Amino acid sequence: EPEVTQTPSHQVTQMGQEVILRCVPISNHLYFYWYRQILGQKVEFLVSFYNNEISEKSEIFDDQFSVERPDGSNFTLKIRSTKLEDSAMYFCASSGAGGRTDTQYFGPGTRLTVL
Amino acid sequence: GQQVMQIPQYQHVQEGEDFTTYCNSSTTLSNIQWYKQRPGGHPVFLIQLVKSGEVKKQKRLTFQFGEAKKNSSLHITATQTTDVGTYFCSEEGGSEKLVFGKGTKLTVNP
Repeated sequence: EPEVTQTPSHQVTQMGQEVILRCVPISNHLYFYWYRQILGQKVEFLVSFYNNEISEKSEIFDDQFSVERPDGSNFTLKIRSTKLEDSAMYFCASSGAGGRTDTQYFGPGTRLTVL
Repeated sequence: GQQVMQIPQYQHVQEGEDFTTYCNSSTTLSNIQWYKQRPGGHPVFLIQLVKSGEVKKQKRLTFQFGEAKKNSSLHITATQTTDVGTYFCSEEGGSEKLVFGKGTKLTVNP
């Protein structure tokens, strides 16, 4: 069964450093998402991406964040200057061509630790 | 903003007991999804409910969508230790994004 993959599984960085989290969505999906989950809390939406552009972003997704689909398979989340409060699990998700009622499938996540 | 309220926040049961988690919204939902997250894992899609009053079953799991499409429930019959995890409901926040509830963390004592 196709699945979303993410790398790395764990990223440790110093405050102020840039990090890039990588995702390979399910191959025939058209919508891509990033969510984050601070330890012990609920999953929060960051950004959705469709047709090579951001379709929606939350208030969490400020100027320090950016997303990119550099080729036909990868989808990346960049945090330019990490802060301590960016420490969280970051989940990539993708969904197919059905749009709003289509199921979103989540990757295994990247645990980001900012020291 | 949109939000779905989930209760209870925690539930401890003995293996073999039933378990129910509830999800409520102040607004009418177009649909609702249920996800399960094992400890240290990622959200895994369980089901989507779309129709008013819809009831769906997956083995020991029964999902219901209220008649007014403002609430939903997940019921597990005769829990097993493999049911341990956090169960989240989510709704589409007016667009493609999912808005998650805070989840119900289920622990099962063998």
